[in-house]
Amino acid sequence: EIVLMQSPGTLSLSPGERAILSCRASQSVTSSYLAWYQQKPGQAPRLLIYDASSRATGIPDRFSGSGSGTDFTLTISRLEPEDFAVYYCQQSGSSPNTFGQGTKLEIK
Amino acid sequence: QVQLVQSGAEVKKSGASVKVSCKASGHTFTSYYIHWVRQAPGQGLEWMGIINPSGGSVTYAQKFQGRVTMTRDTSTSTVYMELSSLRSEDTAVYYCASSDGYNFPSQHWGQGTLVIVTS
Repeated sequence: EIVLMQSPGTLSLSPGERAILSCRASQSVTSSYLAWYQQKPGQAPRLLIYDASSRATGIPDRFSGSGSGTDFTLTISRLEPEDFAVYYCQQSGSSPNTFGQGTKLEIK
Repeated sequence: QVQLVQSGAEVKKSGASVKVSCKASGHTFTSYYIHWVRQAPGQGLEWMGIINPSGGSVTYAQKFQGRVTMTRDTSTSTVYMELSSLRSEDTAVYYCASSDGYNFPSQHWGQGTLVIVTS
């Protein structure tokens, strides 16, 4: 199975700063079937990015995704207070679907 | 819009089985695949498997093969996930989530069902 490694484990930033989250796959992700989710405490995950770089419906344009093959990045251009949460990457190109272990974005 | 409503929390003894339901509304039931994903307390997300409500075909993560069964009832637009031989490590929130296709990401999620396994 494809293992996804996210870094850093925790990212401490202030509102208004830029956040860069990384997701590295143990093998190439088929057809860029790479998605990013945001999860807040007590809530279900929320789809942010699919196909590595396409924003899901209703997602603000401060969220952007990039990458291909084994290296992917989620960038939040200017952090808003509501952006502090845990972020997961997921690949769905090879069975089983797998998630990264998550990056916690916390307020500095 | 698409809504997924899951059944309520469960407390089970080790060795028992649990069956969680996920009722879909707001779309054609057979048009969306349903995934099951779980999250142990304080841990990350773990994909368990997927069912195609149209024909009922399933794919399970190898970790759960032999213990998980996913089924659907088209008459009530409900998908079920049954996990057997429960152990303490199965204590988690179980989510259903829909996707447009087998390889597609999950746009819509249920509210989650907490399953607690006691010894």
